[in-house]
Amino acid sequence: EDQVTQSPEALRLQEGESSSLNCSYTVSGLRGLFWYRQDPGKGPEFLFTLYSAGEEKEKERLKATLTKKESFLHITAPKPEDSATYLCAVKIGNTPLVFGKGTRLSVIA
Amino acid sequence: GAVVSQHPSRVICKSGTSVKIECRSLDFQATTMFWYRQFPKQSLMLMATSNEGSKATYEQGVEKDKFLINHASLTLSTLTVTSAHPEDSSFYICSARIQGSNQPQHFGDGTRLSIL
Repeated sequence: EDQVTQSPEALRLQEGESSSLNCSYTVSGLRGLFWYRQDPGKGPEFLFTLYSAGEEKEKERLKATLTKKESFLHITAPKPEDSATYLCAVKIGNTPLVFGKGTRLSVIA
Repeated sequence: GAVVSQHPSRVICKSGTSVKIECRSLDFQATTMFWYRQFPKQSLMLMATSNEGSKATYEQGVEKDKFLINHASLTLSTLTVTSAHPEDSSFYICSARIQGSNQPQHFGDGTRLSIL
């Protein structure tokens, strides 16, 4: 059973059409939830860390939120340059990050 | 800050060749580095965790004699794919973490390895 599940697998938006990506987790003892952006042929780029339920972080058009079971990455008025795969990962105890399979976002002009 | 440099970005070589990939943390010291493998449209698969000055910890199913990891300093880890074969062709990505286990991991730009 996957510990980290991201949905949807792929999302196609028109420029300016706001939406949310979901990351749900089934682990206990969460030490942190991390969001990354990955462009094709590149390594993941760190976006946010969330440590406790109720926490929110913002960066430009992106806003990440965290509850006890899931995290959302809200994208407001996206632009074509926001097209990428968005990965979430959780840290449990001292183990390495556990990654979800990602959401492939395409923003069409 | 928190820049990780990975080199080379692309390697094409013949079957049986050994290939070394370098991962450097440029502006911070990384006591722990990680090596991942990624298949097309798949997420990151952790291969091993590398701690400076000690032996790497390999994930289940990863051959330690095939994928040699050395982490000799706080800013450099290397992955050597020994006697590479076509099935080893993949995208390899390294990651480093600033000291403090809850810090985010920062990633290099990956190495595309193609074995002919």
